[in-house]
Amino acid sequence: DVKVTQSSRYLVKRTGEKVFLECVQDMDHENMFWYRQDPGLGLRLIYFSYDVKMKEKGDIPEGYSVSREKKERFSLILESASTNQTSMYLCASSFAGRNRVGEQYFGPGTRLTVT
Amino acid sequence: AQSVTQLGSHVSVSEGALVLLRCNYSSSVPPYLFWYVQYPNQGLQLLLKYTSAATLVKGINGFEAEFKKSETSFHLTKPSAHMSDAAEYFCAVTAAGGTSYGKLTFGQGTILTVHP
Repeated sequence: DVKVTQSSRYLVKRTGEKVFLECVQDMDHENMFWYRQDPGLGLRLIYFSYDVKMKEKGDIPEGYSVSREKKERFSLILESASTNQTSMYLCASSFAGRNRVGEQYFGPGTRLTVT
Repeated sequence: AQSVTQLGSHVSVSEGALVLLRCNYSSSVPPYLFWYVQYPNQGLQLLLKYTSAATLVKGINGFEAEFKKSETSFHLTKPSAHMSDAAEYFCAVTAAGGTSYGKLTFGQGTILTVHP
């Protein structure tokens, strides 16, 4: 079974803190993704990575950065957390092959509250 | 550019009744289309996908979806709802090529409630 794990299920941080969300996958997937999920808005792509040390901005990258130093690990960083970043954060991974396009495997999510 | 619209943020059915969740897409290039399901307190998992082969796609747990190009739709159906189908369902699209290839754009989600 493919497993995508996220470092925390629940996280509470204060405004202005630097926040790290970690994601690890065990299936040697090339692609990794970070989304935020908000009620009524579905999932929105923050950043994705198609290879180690490679990253591309998604639809809502402002206020976030990412790091991918190893193939299995993809970190999301909130440099200075703000209350409007309170959300559910989902990590996903996938193979790069054309026959597997769009088949993403998701972690359980981290519910981040910024106070 | 691509987008997905799910009609109805909440759908309620009785156990044993037909499930119909609606999805319309917009894409400037041929699309690949997906349905994902999210059970409470879990991440999303793939139900089924369309990648330009058969227009009627069968997925897990008895769900299926039909790609209709003329209607730009990809509605999800199940003939007989089960209590365990209660979850949130997301339609998603990616382009078959170009700069959006492999990046999913999700709809707003539809919460399915199943009554005994």
